[in-house]
Amino acid sequence: DIQMTQSPSSLSASVGDRVTITCRASQSSSFSLNWYQQKPGTAPKLLITSTSSLQSGVPSRFSGSGSGTDFTLTITNLQPEDFATYYCQQSYAFGQGTKVEIK
Amino acid sequence: QLQESGPGLVKPSETLSLTCTVSGGSISSNNHYWAWIRQPPGKGLEWIGSVHYSGTTYYNPSLKSRVTISLDTSKNRFSLMLSSVTAADTAVYYCARDYGNVRTDYWGQGTLVTASS
Repeated sequence: DIQMTQSPSSLSASVGDRVTITCRASQSSSFSLNWYQQKPGTAPKLLITSTSSLQSGVPSRFSGSGSGTDFTLTITNLQPEDFATYYCQQSYAFGQGTKVEIK
Repeated sequence: QLQESGPGLVKPSETLSLTCTVSGGSISSNNHYWAWIRQPPGKGLEWIGSVHYSGTTYYNPSLKSRVTISLDTSKNRFSLMLSSVTAADTAVYYCARDYGNVRTDYWGQGTLVTASS
């Protein structure tokens, strides 16, 4: 089974910053690489599928890239509503999560 | 919309049973799988398993011996049963729709289940 390793586990950033979160899969796979955003007390929200395809309604400051086993979520011009925990997922495996906190 | 329901407290060694009622779409759709995902307090997400209208299922290997996921098409809902629970099964349990290639676009609000005597 695939295992996903996400880094960092947490980061502090300011409004307007550019943030990058990385995710590494234990093996290359044809499954979609997805990113989710989760705010406290709520269900995860699907942001990006197939490495780089934004879901409808997701702001363009979110972007995804990568190939093979290495993937990246980038948030440019960080907004107050972006402070949350982000998870990558491929096949039935999730990364450990990255908590984006206010500096 | 998806809505989880079931007991919030289960005794150790007993069976956890949850139901997810789906509205606004049919669980008999060929295009979707129906999934259960859980999140222990303060921790990350874990895929429990999923089921398709055709009867195809996937279960997390680490839980497979204890999990059953089934569909009730007459009531447009699906269910999770997890046997022999321990404190380690305490988590928020989410139901979700997988629209293919293990991409979940709709989630229930989640329900906290505590395994405790």
